[in-house]
Amino acid sequence: DIQMTQSPSSLSASVGDRVTITCRASQSISSYLNWYQQKPGKAPKLLIYAASSLQSGVPSRFSGSGSGTDFTLTISSLQPEDFATYYCQQSYSTLEITFGQGTRLEIK
Amino acid sequence: EVQLVESGGGLVQPGGSLRLSCAASGFTFSSYWMHWVRQAPGKGLVWVSRINSDGSSTSYADSVKGRFTISRDNAKNTLYLQMNSLRAEDTAVYYCARDKETVAAPFDYWGQGTLVTVSS
Repeated sequence: DIQMTQSPSSLSASVGDRVTITCRASQSISSYLNWYQQKPGKAPKLLIYAASSLQSGVPSRFSGSGSGTDFTLTISSLQPEDFATYYCQQSYSTLEITFGQGTRLEIK
Repeated sequence: EVQLVESGGGLVQPGGSLRLSCAASGFTFSSYWMHWVRQAPGKGLVWVSRINSDGSSTSYADSVKGRFTISRDNAKNTLYLQMNSLRAEDTAVYYCARDKETVAAPFDYWGQGTLVTVSS
């Protein structure tokens, strides 16, 4: 199985901050990497797909980069509604898709 | 508007069975691969299973292989997950999700989830 490791596991930041979350794959996954946002009691929401493509309707302050094994999700200027948990997901192996353990973004 | 609505969750004893359903609307269901993803209370997301558009190909996480069966009825626009030999560790909210059918196969629409509790 391809293991996905996110860092940090939790993060405190303030409105207006620039935030970066990292996701590392245990083997190369090319650009088969997606990012999701989940708020408590809600279903996940797709933010970024194929490492750097912004999903329709998602604000442009969200961006993604990387390829191979190392990927980042960046929020350029945190807004109050961005405080949530973020997950990366690899789909390189369609036999077993895996998610990272999540990064909880909290208000400082 | 794309909608996915799960049902069928509930309380079941260890070793028991349950069938989840996911009713799809607002898109051509028969054209899309579909997935089940679960989330144990307070834990992260775990992919469970996927099925291709015509139901001829399926995949499962190792943790459910041999116990769970994914299927679909394209005439009824419905996705299913038959869960047998349930264990306490299967307790989770189960989400169905649509595969966007583009590079990296992201899940672009999700249902609201249905809670499965395995307990005696």
